[in-house]
Amino acid sequence: DAEITQSPRHKITETGRQVTLACHQTWNHNNMFWYRQDLGHGLRLIHYSYGVQDTNKGEVSDGYSVSRSNTEDLPLTLESAASSQTSVYFCASSEVGGAGDTQYFGPGTRLTVL
Amino acid sequence: AQKVTQAQTEISVVEKEDVTLDCVYETRDTTYYLFWYKQPPSGELVFLIRRNSFDEQNEISGRYSWNFQKSTSSFNFTITASQVVDSAVYFCALSEAGIYNQGGKLIFGQGTELSVKP
Repeated sequence: DAEITQSPRHKITETGRQVTLACHQTWNHNNMFWYRQDLGHGLRLIHYSYGVQDTNKGEVSDGYSVSRSNTEDLPLTLESAASSQTSVYFCASSEVGGAGDTQYFGPGTRLTVL
Repeated sequence: AQKVTQAQTEISVVEKEDVTLDCVYETRDTTYYLFWYKQPPSGELVFLIRRNSFDEQNEISGRYSWNFQKSTSSFNFTITASQVVDSAVYFCALSEAGIYNQGGKLIFGQGTELSVKP
């Protein structure tokens, strides 16, 4: 079955370190998204991509970057981790890109920055 | 500006009670989509329903029903005869088409935590 996976599922790191969270989908979806979930804020969009070599900033993109070198993967990099980036991170994908596309989410990565 | 508000932070009911989760949205787009997702204690996000702005028909799926009213910018979710397995955080979300319909960016509400006690 096609799916979307995230790794690692849990990560503890120290302030100032670079961290990369992986997202891999096997649906061959064009569109991929990264969100962070914090109590009281729901989920907020960090970065998104509509296809290979395309990346765009979302609502809370400061301190994060993404790159899209193939259809299946959209890794999220925290350049210099900060305690404010402690959160649960979700990756999602959708097929085509219109506003009505349903996004399917990965299982999430819980990141703790000490 | 676009916004989704779920005013109920937590709701607690006893099994078999009906419960309604409120969702109010703000958008200037005429074409938009509304979604509900469920996040059970295991943490994954499960898609429940999608509605477009041109379809105000209510929808029923088993014990779940959704009431979309453009006049009040609301998209409420009702669970009939709630069960313990319905305990979860429920998110309402909005996606705007924009000029090029190159949307898909979801704007989430804060979520409502539903606790169903036996």
